Amino acid sequence: DAGVIQSPRHEVTEMGQEVTLRCKPISGHDYLFWYRQTMMRGLELLIYFNNNVPIDDSGMPEDRFSAKMPNASFSTLKIQPSEPRDSAVYFCASSPPGGGSNEQYFGPGTRLTVT
Amino acid sequence: GENVEQHPSTLSVQEGDSAVIKCTYSDSASNYFPWYKQELGKGPQLIIDIRSNVGEKKDQRIAVTLNKTAKHFSLHITETQPEDSAVYFCAASKGTYKYIFGTGTRLKVLA
Repeated sequence: DAGVIQSPRHEVTEMGQEVTLRCKPISGHDYLFWYRQTMMRGLELLIYFNNNVPIDDSGMPEDRFSAKMPNASFSTLKIQPSEPRDSAVYFCASSPPGGGSNEQYFGPGTRLTVT
Repeated sequence: GENVEQHPSTLSVQEGDSAVIKCTYSDSASNYFPWYKQELGKGPQLIIDIRSNVGEKKDQRIAVTLNKTAKHFSLHITETQPEDSAVYFCAASKGTYKYIFGTGTRLKVLA
């Protein structure tokens, strides 16, 4: 299995531009998570989906952030408009069906830099 | 809400020595505690986990202990090797998929 796939791996954009991060979870996994990692705040859960439905989006920082999961094999995290403070590494993770103690498999991350 | 504190933030040990990383949590309802290892340029990877009905769990050179009364849990790595150098994160969960992560410990194993 290829694991969780994220694209792009690196993104540099100017303030005010729209940014779209993409994720393909592991086949058969029905939970998908978006995390943000920064030096100041560590690893934060932004939102997670179960069977393509958003379950908890309480970690989404502002209305500028939105996430979708149109099908079981694809999800996007969009930032519009982007700001320098959005610079971080964004991870997507997926987890197989079961209870809340199943392993979360992380992708390699997208390093976002907003100038 | 849940808060997870992790110490130390950095740890250097000589190869072959043991390393211990400690975490405390605030919500007594938390019942699942995974540990993740993050290597440079990669995403975190689960290395061991423990549930609240168990006090200790071992997997080769890695062990985790849990003290529910004191609300703290620790990661123990014995006979450290250079490839153990990484950032380690603890997390706590109330049996849901919402993990609260600690701030991480950068472990450096000196050859």
